[in-house]
Amino acid sequence: DAGVTQSPTHLIKTRGQQVTLRCSPKSGHDTVSWYQQALGQGPQFIFQYYEEEERQRGNFPDRFSGHQFPNYSSELNVNALLLGDSALYLCASSATGTETQYFGPGTRLLVL
Amino acid sequence: QQQVKQSPQSLIVQKGGISIINCAYENTAFDYFPWYQQFPGKGPALLIAIRPDVSEKKEGRFTISFNKSAKQFSLHIMDSQPGDSATYFCAASRLGGATNKLIFGTGTLLAVQP
Repeated sequence: DAGVTQSPTHLIKTRGQQVTLRCSPKSGHDTVSWYQQALGQGPQFIFQYYEEEERQRGNFPDRFSGHQFPNYSSELNVNALLLGDSALYLCASSATGTETQYFGPGTRLLVL
Repeated sequence: QQQVKQSPQSLIVQKGGISIINCAYENTAFDYFPWYQQFPGKGPALLIAIRPDVSEKKEGRFTISFNKSAKQFSLHIMDSQPGDSATYFCAASRLGGATNKLIFGTGTLLAVQP
């Protein structure tokens, strides 16, 4: 059983560009959450998707947007990249009614 | 009210010793408290979790102690091993809310010396 997978593993962009990160949840999971982890910090909640809709958003600007597909996979899009967007972006999946979130290995984004 | 405060920032323990990491929360609506372990270049992995209806939970060498009145919980790693060297994050969640989003502490870098 594959766990949560994310792609790409690493990405380098320049300021002002746009980026799309991808996540496939663990088998049987229907809920996907995205977190941003800056170097030396704990993960910060960006938003959560369930039934192809954004269910809740953390304290992140509208430059951060997402999507969930019918197969429960998800994308995170970040527009107009800033240097401060450099971080590890983590995807976590869970099944409705359960408490445990399983994290993927993350995508390391570097904005130059 | 959404903060979870974690200490210490870093910890050095001798092999075989006990590692203790502490967390405190403010929001009394939190009802799920997991601990995650993260190795360099990897995503966080769930280690152990507790609900507020119990004061202690043990799984192998890992124990969570929970003090509801003090709004504090801690992770104890018994017989610490060099392979336990990693960053540990406490977190809190309100399962009855709109989502089960996790609020994380700032992390503790644990080094277990052989």
